[in-house]
Amino acid sequence: DQQVKQNSPSLSVQEGRISILNCDYTNSMFDYFLWYKKYPAEGPTFLISISSIKDKNEDGRFTVFLNKSAKHLSLHIVPSQPGDSAVYFCAASVTSGTYKYIFGTGTRLKVLA
Amino acid sequence: DTAVSQTPKYLVTQMGNDKSIKCEQNLGHDTMYWYKQDSKKFLKIMFSYNNKELIINETVPNRFSPKSPDKAHLNLHINSLELGDSAVYFCACGRRGSQTDTQYFGPGTRLTVL
Repeated sequence: DQQVKQNSPSLSVQEGRISILNCDYTNSMFDYFLWYKKYPAEGPTFLISISSIKDKNEDGRFTVFLNKSAKHLSLHIVPSQPGDSAVYFCAASVTSGTYKYIFGTGTRLKVLA
Repeated sequence: DTAVSQTPKYLVTQMGNDKSIKCEQNLGHDTMYWYKQDSKKFLKIMFSYNNKELIINETVPNRFSPKSPDKAHLNLHINSLELGDSAVYFCACGRRGSQTDTQYFGPGTRLTVL
């Protein structure tokens, strides 16, 4: 049972435009959400996170939106740059107990110059 | 200076062999993890150790045995390797108990079982 889903395996965006990556989850106990970026042959690197007490968190060009009623989060990158081309994973956890991360299957973003 | 390091980066071995992957972190975090990314790109947790104590064990075959000699190291030993063990294995570390816990990942070890 995949509790965290990224339904778009890939996305192509023109440089300078907005990239929107989506993530859905099923477990209402999740209260902390993260986005990781992964380049080939490297480990995932942390990008941005959001707690369930917020509905938006912003860090430079990256903004994460959380819609708890829809169990949906999204990552907005604006403006998109060629260096943003990577695989993006969303992850969710329950911040009590084991702090286990459940990852989505990733979305490959390609930013076209 | 690399925060989370893993050795080796690539490991090619025959079925039935025993192998180990080493992980070290220099962030001073108290919790370390092993994840497996299979051919379908699912990144799934296998184990977690907090202060050398096992806190997560996700229905992983007992051929896999994590060993934590100290808080900075979490090694993964795999006995009797099988074809299905081929994957990329990532080590990670974090601070358990923090409301904004972020896990930091190593570069991964690509294991190929022939």
